[in-house]
Amino acid sequence: ETGVTQSPTHLIKTRGQQVTLRCSSQSGHNTVSWYQQALGQGPQFIFQYYREEENGRGNFPPRFSGLQFPNYSSELNVNALELDDSALYLCASSLRTGQRGNEQFFGPGTRLTVL
Amino acid sequence: AQSVAQPEDQVNVAEGNPLTVKCTYSVSGNPYLFWYVQYPNRGLQFLLKYITGDNLVKGSYGFEAEFNKSQTSFHLKKPSALVSDSALYFCAVRDGRGGGADGLTFGKGTHLIIQP
Repeated sequence: ETGVTQSPTHLIKTRGQQVTLRCSSQSGHNTVSWYQQALGQGPQFIFQYYREEENGRGNFPPRFSGLQFPNYSSELNVNALELDDSALYLCASSLRTGQRGNEQFFGPGTRLTVL
Repeated sequence: AQSVAQPEDQVNVAEGNPLTVKCTYSVSGNPYLFWYVQYPNRGLQFLLKYITGDNLVKGSYGFEAEFNKSQTSFHLKKPSALVSDSALYFCAVRDGRGGGADGLTFGKGTHLIIQP
């Protein structure tokens, strides 16, 4: 196990609702990244947070937003849920240093189903 | 834009035989390359990475990967497969240049099935 935890494990929402997913990073890590993994696909980068600010974003609309807290934990918020948002949402923590080669450690994910 | 291709959806190998899972990449700058493994209903587990240096990288559970710059490949290998190696394997890349989004770009994944 990596020490990265996510909650809840599973979630069912209806179209148009809003959802908040939570992540606690591994001890000593200061950076959190969020990914969306649709069924049968590889994870897709949503965004990354470092020092409580968004530090990079993939090709996701603004209704996907996030927060990072002083203890480096993080939230992913999705507004106006669509059916295509159904996926496994993965949180990954890492230690940001001067170079970009540090590996990310993933949590078990939150399975979101939108009906 | 960066991308990763894993040309095989599934690889079948007999237990005890060597295995190879293929990965090719495209990135503008120097590539930082990673392999992860995913077991059913679990998150991704880090196996190994290439940043710089020796082209042959050794990782967890006896896995290794060979970086080939001219072929833009980073194939995952293991000399002797175990049934417990059966899982979904992902190759990922990050551009080594500074700036821009710092996330990983993943391939679609390859199902590795080791037959007893």
